Amino acid sequence: SQQGEEDPQALSIQEGENATMNCSYKTSINNLQWYRQNSGRGLVHLILIRSNEREKHSGRLRVTLDTSKKSSSLLITASRAADTASYFCAPTQGGSEKLVFGKGMKLTVNP
Amino acid sequence: AAGVIQSPRHLIKEKRETATLKCYPIPRHDTVYWYQQGPGQDPQFLISFYEKMQSDKGSIPDRFSAQQFSDYHSELNMSSLELGDSALYFCASSLRFGTYGYTFGSGTRLTVV
Repeated sequence: SQQGEEDPQALSIQEGENATMNCSYKTSINNLQWYRQNSGRGLVHLILIRSNEREKHSGRLRVTLDTSKKSSSLLITASRAADTASYFCAPTQGGSEKLVFGKGMKLTVNP
Repeated sequence: AAGVIQSPRHLIKEKRETATLKCYPIPRHDTVYWYQQGPGQDPQFLISFYEKMQSDKGSIPDRFSAQQFSDYHSELNMSSLELGDSALYFCASSLRFGTYGYTFGSGTRLTVV
């Protein structure tokens, strides 16, 4: 298992703005997953992108994956105060591999 | 849709006591993972089970043990509790060859006093 490194570590924006966060990893992967965690709550799976995919959408979320650069980005469009949370990326080889979480990115959306 | 169920939601124990946390995975999920998240910390992997067998082990203290039962639910047993064991304990489940990510429970908040 490997840990993804999120960047920036913190981001503060106004409601309605877009938020972009990046994730870098070190070795080849089968898929990369993004999770959100509201303070003191459980992690919520947002989206999974496979290594043969370059872009994926889910509602206001857009994820890209560049395996040549070993990086992924998560874009949240038209942010809302409810998007305030920590966001984690988790690159994996698939199967039953455990997820290893880094420090995450703390997003604050101000109303 | 059914989610991962963890019980209890909150637990207060005294030092040196024992605690048992339970996790009920999503039906038909064959893998369970346990994580510990201390205050202001990242979730740390403890242990996982695939088809009732331990599949991976992380930074789990020797005072902790876990198992997965025939109905796929899992229990994390923690003995000789220490103040530093106070944390949120999450359970997650997944399908080994699934492509939908891992589903986490809401966690058990353990406070050791």
